[in-house]
Amino acid sequence: SQQGEEDPQALSIQEGENATMNCSYKTSINNLQWYRQNSGRGLVHLILIRSNEREKHSGRLRVTLDTSKKSSSLLITASRAADTASYFCATASFSYSGAGSYQLTFGKGTKLSVIP
Amino acid sequence: DVKVTQSSRYLVKRTGEKVFLECVQDMDHENMFWYRQDPGLGLRLIYFSYDVKMKEKGDIPEGYSVSREKKERFSLILESASTNQTSMYLCASSLSPLLAGGGEQYFGPGTRLTVT
Repeated sequence: SQQGEEDPQALSIQEGENATMNCSYKTSINNLQWYRQNSGRGLVHLILIRSNEREKHSGRLRVTLDTSKKSSSLLITASRAADTASYFCATASFSYSGAGSYQLTFGKGTKLSVIP
Repeated sequence: DVKVTQSSRYLVKRTGEKVFLECVQDMDHENMFWYRQDPGLGLRLIYFSYDVKMKEKGDIPEGYSVSREKKERFSLILESASTNQTSMYLCASSLSPLLAGGGEQYFGPGTRLTVT
């Protein structure tokens, strides 16, 4: 079942501008993670935010999480051509029903193009 | 640096063949995962394992099986390959307990499998 859904599907900006991508999900989660994928380096983990956190920073990345709206956003400030990639959110959840159930679901991604 | 390696970058197999995809991680991670990635569908979880000889179904386990005889190695098996299993297969590993959300995942470079 598709949990995280990114928006927009594609984004094109000029170098130096900020890029914002959004992720919405449907059920409660333990954490939400953002990943980047480009042809050169495969899928790389960017940042993880736990369900009890509201905001997290890592270098030029800022992630927010609103559990009441079941949404997250990834902001990349002062973008560079090297930021051109697809960005995925992934939601992780574990429930104790029965033997325990773990789910990790990736969205379809936002394709970011940064024009030099 | 965590390293996740996959046995082949490209693989071409015939319909009906038994296919083995191997994944090895070198960081003593408890959890290992197999995904497939298709255009427009994002990453979908096939199987995961949280300990040696333990395995759990993901979202799309049909037509696949897995084996984890050693902690560092997680194999994906296509019992009888079909053309709809043509895809990019990604292996990942993570350290944190799944009941806490599993933590960040480290991905291998992927195996592009073509079934003809």
